[in-house]
Amino acid sequence: EPEVTQTPSHQVTQMGQEVILRCVPISNHLYFYWYRQILGQKVEFLVSFYNNEISEKSEIFDDQFSVERPDGSNFTLKIRSTKLEDSAMYFCASSTHQGPPGNTIYFGEGSWLTVV
Amino acid sequence: LAKTTQPISMDSYEGQEVNITCSHNNIATNDYITWYQQFPSQGPRFIIQGYKTKVTNEVASLFIPADRKSSTLSLPRVSLSDTAVYYCLVGEGDSNYQLIWGAGTKLIIKP
Repeated sequence: EPEVTQTPSHQVTQMGQEVILRCVPISNHLYFYWYRQILGQKVEFLVSFYNNEISEKSEIFDDQFSVERPDGSNFTLKIRSTKLEDSAMYFCASSTHQGPPGNTIYFGEGSWLTVV
Repeated sequence: LAKTTQPISMDSYEGQEVNITCSHNNIATNDYITWYQQFPSQGPRFIIQGYKTKVTNEVASLFIPADRKSSTLSLPRVSLSDTAVYYCLVGEGDSNYQLIWGAGTKLIIKP
Protein backbone atom coordinates (compact mmCIF):
# COMPACT_ATOMS: atom_id res chain seq x y z
CA GLU A 1 0.00 0.00 0.00
CA PRO A 2 1.41 3.42 -0.91
CA GLU A 3 2.31 5.58 2.03
CA VAL A 4 3.30 9.07 3.04
CA THR A 5 6.85 9.18 4.33
CA GLN A 6 8.27 11.78 6.66
CA THR A 7 11.76 12.73 7.78
CA PRO A 8 13.16 13.11 10.31
CA SER A 9 11.20 10.91 12.67
CA HIS A 10 12.50 12.91 15.61
CA GLN A 11 14.35 16.20 15.83
CA VAL A 12 15.59 18.16 18.80
CA THR A 13 16.34 21.82 18.19
CA GLN A 14 17.28 24.88 20.14
CA MET A 15 14.71 27.61 20.60
CA GLY A 16 15.06 30.20 17.86
CA GLN A 17 16.51 27.79 15.32
CA GLU A 18 14.98 27.06 11.95
CA VAL A 19 13.57 23.62 11.33
CA ILE A 20 12.55 21.96 8.08
CA LEU A 21 10.35 18.90 8.18
CA ARG A 22 10.19 16.86 5.01
CA CYS A 23 7.49 14.73 3.50
CA VAL A 24 7.05 12.63 0.41
CA PRO A 25 3.32 12.41 -0.31
CA ILE A 26 1.75 9.54 -2.22
CA SER A 27 2.77 9.95 -5.83
CA ASN A 28 -0.60 10.44 -7.55
CA HIS A 29 -2.02 12.70 -4.84
CA LEU A 30 -2.65 16.35 -5.56
CA TYR A 31 -3.54 17.79 -2.15
CA PHE A 32 -1.07 18.00 0.67
CA TYR A 33 -1.51 18.89 4.32
CA TRP A 34 0.34 19.49 7.53
CA TYR A 35 -1.19 18.81 10.91
CA ARG A 36 0.29 18.87 14.35
CA GLN A 37 -0.49 17.16 17.61
CA ILE A 38 0.87 18.40 20.89
CA LEU A 39 1.48 15.54 23.29
CA GLY A 40 -1.80 14.36 24.78
CA GLN A 41 -3.89 16.78 22.78
CA LYS A 42 -5.98 16.62 19.65
CA VAL A 43 -4.84 16.75 16.06
CA GLU A 44 -4.79 20.32 14.71
CA PHE A 45 -4.94 21.39 11.09
CA LEU A 46 -2.15 23.68 9.96
CA VAL A 47 -2.30 24.10 6.20
CA SER A 48 -3.46 22.59 2.95
CA PHE A 49 -1.59 22.95 -0.33
CA TYR A 50 -2.70 22.46 -3.91
CA ASN A 51 -1.33 23.41 -7.29
CA ASN A 52 1.77 24.94 -5.71
CA GLU A 53 -0.02 27.27 -3.41
CA ILE A 54 -1.65 27.32 -0.01
CA SER A 55 -5.38 26.68 -0.31
CA GLU A 56 -6.25 27.01 3.36
CA LYS A 57 -4.45 27.64 6.62
CA SER A 58 -5.38 27.78 10.26
CA GLU A 59 -4.67 30.45 12.85
CA ILE A 60 -1.74 28.37 14.06
CA PHE A 61 -0.02 28.74 10.70
CA ASP A 62 1.40 32.22 11.25
CA ASP A 63 4.34 33.97 9.62
CA GLN A 64 6.78 31.64 11.35
CA PHE A 65 5.54 28.77 9.22
CA SER A 66 5.93 28.18 5.51
CA VAL A 67 5.42 25.29 3.14
CA GLU A 68 7.03 24.47 -0.12
CA ARG A 69 7.00 21.84 -2.80
CA PRO A 70 10.57 22.24 -4.05
CA ASP A 71 10.35 19.46 -6.61
CA GLY A 72 7.89 16.92 -7.91
CA SER A 73 8.01 14.68 -4.89
CA ASN A 74 8.84 16.55 -1.68
CA PHE A 75 6.63 18.73 0.47
CA THR A 76 8.26 20.65 3.30
CA LEU A 77 7.21 22.54 6.40
CA LYS A 78 9.59 25.19 7.65
CA ILE A 79 9.45 26.81 11.04
CA ARG A 80 11.66 29.89 10.92
CA SER A 81 12.33 30.54 14.58
CA THR A 82 11.15 27.74 16.79
CA LYS A 83 9.50 28.34 20.13
CA LEU A 84 9.05 25.95 23.03
CA GLU A 85 5.36 25.68 22.23
CA ASP A 86 6.18 24.36 18.75
CA SER A 87 7.14 21.05 20.35
CA ALA A 88 4.71 18.56 18.88
CA MET A 89 4.27 15.69 16.47
CA TYR A 90 3.88 17.06 12.95
CA PHE A 91 1.95 14.95 10.47
CA CYS A 92 2.12 15.30 6.74
CA ALA A 93 -0.85 14.01 4.78
CA SER A 94 -2.05 13.80 1.21
CA SER A 95 -5.18 13.00 -0.76
CA THR A 96 -6.27 12.67 -4.37
CA HIS A 97 -8.93 15.33 -4.01
CA GLN A 98 -10.17 17.58 -1.30
CA GLY A 99 -13.85 16.95 -0.89
CA PRO A 100 -15.72 13.73 -0.24
CA PRO A 101 -16.89 11.28 -1.26
CA GLY A 102 -13.99 8.95 -1.10
CA ASN A 103 -11.61 11.62 0.11
CA THR A 104 -9.31 9.43 2.11
CA ILE A 105 -6.55 11.50 3.65
CA TYR A 106 -3.43 9.43 4.18
CA PHE A 107 -1.18 10.44 7.03
CA GLY A 108 2.51 9.88 7.50
CA GLU A 109 3.96 8.48 10.69
CA GLY A 110 4.90 11.92 11.92
CA SER A 111 7.96 13.95 12.81
CA TRP A 112 8.38 14.50 16.50
CA LEU A 113 9.83 17.98 17.11
CA THR A 114 11.26 18.85 20.49
CA VAL A 115 12.29 22.46 21.07
CA VAL A 116 14.62 23.03 24.03
CA LEU B 1 -18.10 23.74 10.41
CA ALA B 2 -19.84 20.80 12.01
CA LYS B 3 -18.73 19.94 15.52
CA THR B 4 -18.68 16.38 16.76
CA THR B 5 -19.17 14.91 20.22
CA GLN B 6 -17.91 11.47 21.21
CA PRO B 7 -17.42 9.64 24.51
CA ILE B 8 -13.99 10.37 25.93
CA SER B 9 -13.25 6.72 26.62
CA MET B 10 -14.67 3.22 26.39
CA ASP B 11 -13.63 -0.20 27.63
CA SER B 12 -14.45 -3.55 26.14
CA TYR B 13 -13.15 -7.10 25.97
CA GLU B 14 -11.57 -9.19 23.27
CA GLY B 15 -14.09 -10.81 20.96
CA GLN B 16 -16.85 -8.31 21.71
CA GLU B 17 -18.50 -5.96 19.27
CA VAL B 18 -17.80 -2.33 20.08
CA ASN B 19 -20.04 0.54 19.04
CA ILE B 20 -18.80 4.12 19.30
CA THR B 21 -21.40 6.79 18.73
CA CYS B 22 -20.69 10.31 17.54
CA SER B 23 -23.16 13.17 17.50
CA HIS B 24 -22.99 15.93 14.89
CA ASN B 25 -26.17 17.92 15.24
CA ASN B 26 -25.26 20.67 12.77
CA ILE B 27 -24.06 18.45 9.96
CA ALA B 28 -24.51 20.11 6.58
CA THR B 29 -26.23 18.61 3.56
CA ASN B 30 -22.98 17.97 1.72
CA ASP B 31 -20.99 16.72 4.69
CA TYR B 32 -19.64 13.19 4.90
CA ILE B 33 -18.75 11.38 8.10
CA THR B 34 -15.28 9.92 8.38
CA TRP B 35 -13.67 7.83 11.11
CA TYR B 36 -9.98 7.53 11.81
CA GLN B 37 -7.96 5.36 14.17
CA GLN B 38 -4.78 6.50 15.88
CA PHE B 39 -2.26 4.46 17.82
CA PRO B 40 0.16 6.24 20.19
CA SER B 41 2.93 8.12 18.37
CA GLN B 42 1.55 7.18 14.95
CA GLY B 43 -0.34 9.00 12.28
CA PRO B 44 -4.13 8.65 12.06
CA ARG B 45 -5.37 5.88 9.81
CA PHE B 46 -8.57 6.02 7.77
CA ILE B 47 -11.18 3.48 8.82
CA ILE B 48 -14.43 4.26 7.04
CA GLN B 49 -16.49 7.03 5.48
CA GLY B 50 -20.20 7.37 4.83
CA TYR B 51 -23.02 9.72 3.96
CA LYS B 52 -26.18 7.91 5.01
CA THR B 53 -27.60 4.52 6.01
CA LYS B 54 -24.93 1.85 6.38
CA VAL B 55 -21.44 1.41 5.05
CA THR B 56 -19.34 -1.70 5.63
CA ASN B 57 -15.77 -2.56 4.80
CA GLU B 58 -13.33 -5.23 5.91
CA VAL B 59 -12.56 -3.38 9.13
CA ALA B 60 -15.77 -1.81 10.39
CA SER B 61 -19.34 -0.77 9.76
CA LEU B 62 -20.77 2.72 9.93
CA PHE B 63 -24.42 3.29 10.76
CA ILE B 64 -25.98 6.66 9.97
CA PRO B 65 -29.65 7.34 10.78
CA ALA B 66 -31.92 9.22 8.41
CA ASP B 67 -31.48 12.59 10.14
CA ARG B 68 -27.67 12.17 9.99
CA LYS B 69 -27.27 13.93 13.33
CA SER B 70 -25.28 11.03 14.70
CA SER B 71 -23.31 8.05 13.49
CA THR B 72 -22.09 4.81 15.04
CA LEU B 73 -18.83 3.09 14.28
CA SER B 74 -19.12 -0.64 14.85
CA LEU B 75 -16.01 -2.79 15.31
CA PRO B 76 -16.82 -6.50 15.18
CA ARG B 77 -14.96 -8.94 17.44
CA VAL B 78 -12.31 -6.56 18.71
CA SER B 79 -8.84 -7.67 19.71
CA LEU B 80 -6.20 -6.13 21.95
CA SER B 81 -4.67 -4.46 18.91
CA ASP B 82 -7.81 -2.39 18.44
CA THR B 83 -6.86 -0.37 21.51
CA ALA B 84 -6.49 3.12 20.08
CA VAL B 85 -8.11 6.53 19.84
CA TYR B 86 -10.98 6.74 17.37
CA TYR B 87 -11.93 10.05 15.78
CA CYS B 88 -15.22 10.98 14.18
CA LEU B 89 -14.89 13.78 11.65
CA VAL B 90 -17.44 15.68 9.63
CA GLY B 91 -16.10 17.43 6.58
CA GLU B 92 -17.29 20.23 4.40
CA GLY B 93 -18.65 18.94 1.14
CA ASP B 94 -17.03 21.41 -1.20
CA SER B 95 -13.53 22.70 -1.66
CA ASN B 96 -11.21 23.67 1.15
CA TYR B 97 -11.88 20.46 2.94
CA GLN B 98 -10.61 20.87 6.47
CA LEU B 99 -10.86 18.12 8.97
CA ILE B 100 -12.00 19.29 12.40
CA TRP B 101 -10.58 16.93 14.96
CA GLY B 102 -12.18 16.45 18.34
CA ALA B 103 -10.64 14.70 21.31
CA GLY B 104 -11.65 11.30 19.99
CA THR B 105 -12.67 8.21 21.93
CA LYS B 106 -9.95 6.28 23.68
CA LEU B 107 -10.93 2.63 23.32
CA ILE B 108 -9.26 0.16 25.62
CA ILE B 109 -9.65 -3.53 24.90
CA LYS B 110 -9.03 -5.90 27.78
CA PRO B 111 -8.16 -9.60 27.57
